[in-house]
Amino acid sequence: AQSVTQPDIHITVSEGASLELRCNYSYGATPYLFWYVQSPGQGLQLLLKYFSGDTLVQGIKGFEAEFKRSQSSFNLRKPSVHWSDAAEYFCAVGATSYDKVIFGPGTSLSVIP
Amino acid sequence: DVKVTQSSRYLVKRTGEKVFLECVQDMDHENMFWYRQDPGLGLRLIYFSYDVKMKEKGDIPEGYSVSREKKERFSLILESASTNQTSMYLCASSSDTYEQYFGPGTRLTVT
Repeated sequence: AQSVTQPDIHITVSEGASLELRCNYSYGATPYLFWYVQSPGQGLQLLLKYFSGDTLVQGIKGFEAEFKRSQSSFNLRKPSVHWSDAAEYFCAVGATSYDKVIFGPGTSLSVIP
Repeated sequence: DVKVTQSSRYLVKRTGEKVFLECVQDMDHENMFWYRQDPGLGLRLIYFSYDVKMKEKGDIPEGYSVSREKKERFSLILESASTNQTSMYLCASSSDTYEQYFGPGTRLTVT
């Protein structure tokens, strides 16, 4: 069965520092992978996605993620964090049918001014 | 831009009441989903629908039902609300690409 783990429940970084959020997945074939962001009190917004091809994908708001098949990972990165990046981040993997997506438990990001 | 709207941002209901949560999308998407989101548990799929009048149970369907009479509208029904259904409810839609578009959510409190 597909599953997604995000080892870090909560991360705090200083504004301007780099960021890496970890994501590991379990899936038998080449997965469809996603990162979503949820600002407080809001729905989820897609940051980026990986379907195939180049393993380094660029997303919105200056985020990027790298797919590493050997490590079953899809970590999210940003070189310089802004205070507005404080939010909940969800990694997700596309499941086998009907566009179902399995979400990880989320990582809460706090940004110190 | 895809727009998914939910009928209420905040809702307070009493135990035993029948509750309707409405979701509408404007991009002609085939697939629609209802999730609940609780701290530490992430998003859990309640029901989804891949076509009008079609529905499939997700991971936690107990205590819920759904209705999809029109392609753009997907309703979640709590037949008899209970306090353990206090949660954030998120609706999403997609069109055969796994990429889901979410509404703003409804925060339901059952007292």
